[in-house]
Amino acid sequence: GQQLNQSPQSMFIQEGEDVSMNCTSSSIFNTWLWYKQDPGEGPVILIALYKAGELTSNGRLTAQFGTTRKDSFLNISASIPSDVGIYFCAGRPETGTASKLTFGTGTRLQVTL
Amino acid sequence: NAGVTQTPKFRILKIGQSMTLQCTQDMNHNYMYWYRQDPGMGLKLIYYSVGAGITDKGEVPNGYNVSRSTTEDFPLRLELAAPSQTSVYFCASSKRGGLTGELFFGEGSRLTVL
Repeated sequence: GQQLNQSPQSMFIQEGEDVSMNCTSSSIFNTWLWYKQDPGEGPVILIALYKAGELTSNGRLTAQFGTTRKDSFLNISASIPSDVGIYFCAGRPETGTASKLTFGTGTRLQVTL
Repeated sequence: NAGVTQTPKFRILKIGQSMTLQCTQDMNHNYMYWYRQDPGMGLKLIYYSVGAGITDKGEVPNGYNVSRSTTEDFPLRLELAAPSQTSVYFCASSKRGGLTGELFFGEGSRLTVL
């Protein structure tokens, strides 16, 4: 099946720092979605991207659909303690059933005061 | 603001037992999904449905069954529980499938098979 590689797997940062994470695939994707999962909860969508090169913001979060269509990036500016959680990328490949999302393995973010 | 509701939240099963994880959504979404999440891993699609009466296999369907008799409900059945099915199960729904269907998830059901 499709593979999505997320980097980094985990990160510790200090409050106020900016965060960057990325997701790469082995094939071309038509859609990229970024989700956040809090402990004991289901994933919640943060940002959806539908066109190569698209740059979309949601508050302090900014995500980009890579121009090669094989990657996506998520940036968090001025991190705060409630940013703690696991961030998942998800995407729909160009080929195959459009209803199926492929998920990355997640980036675990921990923020220290 | 119920969204996607899953029950139970936690369950312990013995090997060979059967159970059904319930999922209901009140957003009138056509598409519904079941995923499992193993520790340190992403979500794997078990089954999905594009509407009442229509279901299809995902990436890891073995050991599971589903049905979709109504738009709102999409139960997941485990017939003969095995330790490999210990996982957290998430139900999700979306208004559309295809390229623009953003998934909304339930809070998860943590299943342990001993």
